[in-house]
Amino acid sequence: EDQVTQSPEALRLQEGESSSLNCSYTVSGLRGLFWYRQDPGKGPEFLFTLYSAGEEKEKERLKATLTKKESFLHITAPKPEDSATYLCAVQAKGTYKYIFGTGTRLKVLA
Amino acid sequence: DAGVIQSPRHEVTEMGQEVTLRCKPISGHDYLFWYRQTMMRGLELLIYFNNNVPIDDSGMPEDRFSAKMPNASFSTLKIQPSEPRDSAVYFCASSLGGGTGNTIYFGEGSWLTVV
Repeated sequence: EDQVTQSPEALRLQEGESSSLNCSYTVSGLRGLFWYRQDPGKGPEFLFTLYSAGEEKEKERLKATLTKKESFLHITAPKPEDSATYLCAVQAKGTYKYIFGTGTRLKVLA
Repeated sequence: DAGVIQSPRHEVTEMGQEVTLRCKPISGHDYLFWYRQTMMRGLELLIYFNNNVPIDDSGMPEDRFSAKMPNASFSTLKIQPSEPRDSAVYFCASSLGGGTGNTIYFGEGSWLTVV
């Protein structure tokens, strides 16, 4: 069964304190792995798509990496506005279903 | 370009009443998804359509839930009769199919409270 597990569930960082969020997945052939950001009261907002092991994507203070079993979202020198829930999802080959993890709630303190 | 549009944004209804949630996908997208989000279970896929045809409804919790997509620009999710355990945020999302992994774009959600 396709599965996505995110850790930690919650993370508190001081402004400028870099860290990483983890997304472990089990899927019968990966079509794509997706990272989303969700602010309270809003829908998930797309950040990155990764397709194959070794691939990396960057956007401002965020960098996503992918291996055959997990993905990391690295946050460098975070700011309070980076506070949000970060969601990971996978799409298996042969399907258009997206399986989401339960997310990591990030709080960045000024 | 307009994103996925959902209505209503908030609904409070009494147990036993019928609830209809509406969605307009991004123009040109051929896949439409309905998700439910709760604190306990996160985002759960209820059903998805391709070119207006339901492809996988295995996530629909029970017969009280039904979804339709009469045309490429409109979909509904109906709950009849509603129960308190249906209280959640319901998201509609759409994507353009074909090729490798396809990004889905979410609406702002419909916040449902059943009392």
